[in-house]
Amino acid sequence: AQKVTQAQTEISVVEKEDVTLDCVYETRDTTYYLFWYKQPPSGELVFLIRRNSFDEQNEISGRYSWNFQKSTSSFNFTITASQVVDSAVYFCALRRVTGGGNKLTFGTGTQLKVEL
Amino acid sequence: DAGVIQSPRHEVTEMGQEVTLRCKPISGHNSLFWYRQTMMRGLELLIYFNNNVPIDDSGMPEDRFSAKMPNASFSTLKIQPSEPRDSAVYFCASSRDRDDYGYTFGSGTRLTVV
Repeated sequence: AQKVTQAQTEISVVEKEDVTLDCVYETRDTTYYLFWYKQPPSGELVFLIRRNSFDEQNEISGRYSWNFQKSTSSFNFTITASQVVDSAVYFCALRRVTGGGNKLTFGTGTQLKVEL
Repeated sequence: DAGVIQSPRHEVTEMGQEVTLRCKPISGHNSLFWYRQTMMRGLELLIYFNNNVPIDDSGMPEDRFSAKMPNASFSTLKIQPSEPRDSAVYFCASSRDRDDYGYTFGSGTRLTVV
């Protein structure tokens, strides 16, 4: 069975602070995909990143970076110099490479509030 | 590309009424998913289709829920009769087989059953 845990329900930071959102996953598969989605107050779900399990290189995109640690089954997301526009709910998700179709298993999300 | 299109955006209905939610996936995508989002349960997969065929409907709460995909460009999720506990945001998403980029979600339908 697949499971994604986002233990942080809500995080509040002051603008320009760095913040890390944790994601821990469980799977018996040796290959899989991991994702992060953003849900701003407007409600839509926006794809941020996909990571293959066989690629443990960390990734940076502007102020966003992702740290994938297969040994600890974690895929954490860091926002550097946070901005008010980063306020949203962030979801981590897992998908099998084979079997299970394209079904995504989501974590419960972390509500990030960035204040001035 | 118009993205995944859902209608209506908001729906308010009385308990016992039939509700139909609609979804148009992205052209060329052959997988379609219906998710429900609530505060208590987060994002739950209700059902997904591949090439218009239902593959996994184990998330459908009960017989009051049904989903169809008569063709590659249209799907419906029907609730009959609706109950207040069905109030949630219902998302439709689509993807291509072996699409590494997860899904593209629609904007969702916010359903309120009073």
